[in-house]
Amino acid sequence: DTGVSQNPRHKITKRGQNVTFRCDPISEHNRLYWYRQTLGQGPEFLTYFQNEAQLEKSRLLSDRFSAERPKGSFSTLEIQRTEQGDSAMYLCASKKATNEKLFFGSGTQLSVL
Amino acid sequence: AQTVTQSQPEMSVQEAETVTLSCTYDTSESNYYLFWYKQPPSRQMILVIRQEAYKQQNATENRFSVNFQKAAKSFSLKISDSQLGDTAMYFCAFMKHGGHNAGGTSYGKLTFGQGTILTVHP
Repeated sequence: DTGVSQNPRHKITKRGQNVTFRCDPISEHNRLYWYRQTLGQGPEFLTYFQNEAQLEKSRLLSDRFSAERPKGSFSTLEIQRTEQGDSAMYLCASKKATNEKLFFGSGTQLSVL
Repeated sequence: AQTVTQSQPEMSVQEAETVTLSCTYDTSESNYYLFWYKQPPSRQMILVIRQEAYKQQNATENRFSVNFQKAAKSFSLKISDSQLGDTAMYFCAFMKHGGHNAGGTSYGKLTFGQGTILTVHP
């Protein structure tokens, strides 16, 4: 069990640029979740995959956000035309379908200047 | 929709003493899970303890225990013999029970409270 891995740990970008984050879940976990956490707040759900299928998207996920999980393994979260309000920690988590325990990665801290 | 409320933004405790963090929630679901997660300065979310709503017995994990009051929708965390390494942000979280074989779209989705910053002083 190598844990959930997220890259990069930190990303600084200029407003209007596109950014992409990667999450590698625990290998036997078929469910993968993305959350966003702003400073001093609890994480908020963004989207969820079961294998390669994206089954739910939060209304927080605007048209500028897209997530994929090709082949049901790693996942990417892309933000197009970044805005300062996108500055946050983006957390990835994974779990087995038969277990309620979510395992979180260390997150990607995005700063939009 | 579910809501989770943590009314204590910050708490502090002396090393070796006991502290209780409060959490209340609101839901119309009858079967669900409740969790406490710890987030130290490294920002890694670590599961501390979980409770299944249909179990009346309060969960315990070493120095951590909960007081689950289903009727009152209350779920507090007690940390005994506090250690310096317990210093972190603590989040209470709710998960609807969707059934292990259910394809329910919300199953596994956590709703978090606002968090409580706990500082353990030497």
